[in-house]
Amino acid sequence: KNEVEQSPQNLTAQEGEFITINCSYSVGISALHWLQQHPGGGIVSLFMLSSGKKKHGRLIATINIQEKHSSLHITASHPRDSAVYICAVRGIGNQFYFGTGTSLTVIP
Amino acid sequence: EAQVTQNPRYLITVTGKKLTVTCSQNMNHEYMSWYRQDPGLGLRQIYYSMNVEVTDKGDVPEGYKVSRKEKRNFPLILESPSPNQTSLYFCASRGSTGALWEQYFGPGTRLTVT
Repeated sequence: KNEVEQSPQNLTAQEGEFITINCSYSVGISALHWLQQHPGGGIVSLFMLSSGKKKHGRLIATINIQEKHSSLHITASHPRDSAVYICAVRGIGNQFYFGTGTSLTVIP
Repeated sequence: EAQVTQNPRYLITVTGKKLTVTCSQNMNHEYMSWYRQDPGLGLRQIYYSMNVEVTDKGDVPEGYKVSRKEKRNFPLILESPSPNQTSLYFCASRGSTGALWEQYFGPGTRLTVT
């Protein structure tokens, strides 16, 4: 059972391109998180959303609660954005469920 | 500096030999969690704790134990490790209020069970 589905699994982009990563979930949630995992393995939190839209620098995250869908956008992509992006949902009972990640490579 | 530390970072052990992976955070966070990450399966939650002496099972708790005797520490115990517990393990913590949403992850512990 996959409570969280991400697409695409792999993504290659040219520097400067606009990138979208999608996340769909099937469980009731209290919040949705976007994470970034660097090639060395370290994981950092990017956003937490429970409604609407958030922006941080070149990153934008949106969520549609009714459709159980979220998107992460990267504007003006840069090689340093190359990483695995992971969607995670926090269930009503504080459990976390994760997508399998989107591996992004940005080519100079 | 706000951080979550895990030890050891790398561990190779044999089937059946009890081991403990320690996790400590310096942010006075209420919520702590253990995850394992496997290729093709992504991150999966093992156990979580909402405060001292309060723990609950995640998605894949079989074969693991945890304890939360102090707020800062949340050790993961494998009483009798098996090869299917070979994985990359992450500990994480976060606060309990909305403003403290950010989940801080430890650097990971790569465990191999032969």
